[in-house]
Amino acid sequence: GAVVSQHPSRVICKSGTSVKIECRSLDFQATTMFWYRQFPKQSLMLMATSNEGSKATYEQGVEKDKFLINHASLTLSTLTVTSAHPEDSSFYICSARDERGADTQYFGPGTRLTVL
Amino acid sequence: AQSVTQPDIHITVSEGASLELRCNYSYGATPYLFWYVQSPGQGLQLLLKYFSGDTLVQGIKGFEAEFKRSQSSFNLRKPSVHWSDAAEYFCAVGEDDYKLSFGAGTTVTVRA
Repeated sequence: GAVVSQHPSRVICKSGTSVKIECRSLDFQATTMFWYRQFPKQSLMLMATSNEGSKATYEQGVEKDKFLINHASLTLSTLTVTSAHPEDSSFYICSARDERGADTQYFGPGTRLTVL
Repeated sequence: AQSVTQPDIHITVSEGASLELRCNYSYGATPYLFWYVQSPGQGLQLLLKYFSGDTLVQGIKGFEAEFKRSQSSFNLRKPSVHWSDAAEYFCAVGEDDYKLSFGAGTTVTVRA
């Protein structure tokens, strides 16, 4: 199957700083990517849909000014957690839609964010 | 609103034994249903999905799932587990292939 990478895999930052997480589709182009958040022992929650060349679509309850999403190219979407606080500590997972063939989505391995 | 319940947080099974993971969903229309597996350090991998047609769906790695509309269930099964099947399994429901609601996951431990 197709490969989606995330960088970094793990990040620790101080409260009040901003953190950028990258999501890349390595062997296909993705006009649409998705960002999820996973709390320990809980399910993945869809945060937003990232659309190449246009604004992201956020799910209800997700602060768009807090979680900035940029999808500047067909292989890269970034999620920036601005002014991070300890409650933002979580596991962030992206996925990318592969419109070739079966038209499915592939998930990245996730990024563990810890805010001190 | 759509939601998914995976009643079992953790299941331990002996290698070679059968495995069944439960999934119940709540959805107003005909759902798209999925099972994903997540191994440490790796992304979620799709095991199988159901949209319509035959209610018994075959997936990769020897897994299958059965859609039962009357019970709002989509349970995952494997006749004989291998040690490599130890992982976390997620059931998901969606209105299409992409905007999914996931269950909390079931961790499977395989003992020798």
